[in-house]
Amino acid sequence: QVQLVESGGGVVQPGRSLRLSCAASGFTFSNYAMHWVRQAPGKGLEWVTIISFDGNNKYYADSVKGRFTISRDNSKNTLYLQMNSLRAEDTAVYYCAREGGPYGSGSFHAYWGQGTLVTVSS
Amino acid sequence: DIQMTQSPSSLSASVGDRVTITCRASQGISNYLAWYQQKPGKVPKLLIYAASTLQSGVPSRFSGSGSGTDFTLTISSLQSEDVGTYYCQKYNSVPLTFGGGTKVEIK
Repeated sequence: QVQLVESGGGVVQPGRSLRLSCAASGFTFSNYAMHWVRQAPGKGLEWVTIISFDGNNKYYADSVKGRFTISRDNSKNTLYLQMNSLRAEDTAVYYCAREGGPYGSGSFHAYWGQGTLVTVSS
Repeated sequence: DIQMTQSPSSLSASVGDRVTITCRASQGISNYLAWYQQKPGKVPKLLIYAASTLQSGVPSRFSGSGSGTDFTLTISSLQSEDVGTYYCQKYNSVPLTFGGGTKVEIK
């Protein structure tokens, strides 16, 4: 079965960096685009970024553009999110999510990881 | 960017009631709309995609309709396990915006 396991969250000071990872299993990782979605405490869902199945195309929400970088290693079935210049408003649970269909055929989030909490605080 | 507006933001209904949640896009998105359910303290779960296609394993009391700018999620007979927050999301193009959510409670 599809499994997504995030790691790398924690407490970090404003202005510092953090890298999240998402280990995927149970499907052919290299066939699917992947996303990061976040949820601030007590708030709604916010889409953050997407990377195409081959890693060649990446798009970001305006709120993180220029600070966050999504990447993937298809040989390791792992998705990454490099977060730089972190701000208090980046505090959230970060979920990785798999698309509904292969090769960009369904950009909704069919499968979600359990999430990893990032807290930006001095 | 296209904005997604959900209404109501919260509702309280009795077990067995028919519940309707609406989602409006600021521009047409064809049928590129998904609905998610998030139970308290849990991970979001996909309910419906392509506006009206039920995800595998989702109870048939859930249904979706609409196209263009106006969409509806209906729970035909509310059950206690349906308590949670429901989100719509457009996915025709980036950014893949979510609606603000509708919190469903039992009266």
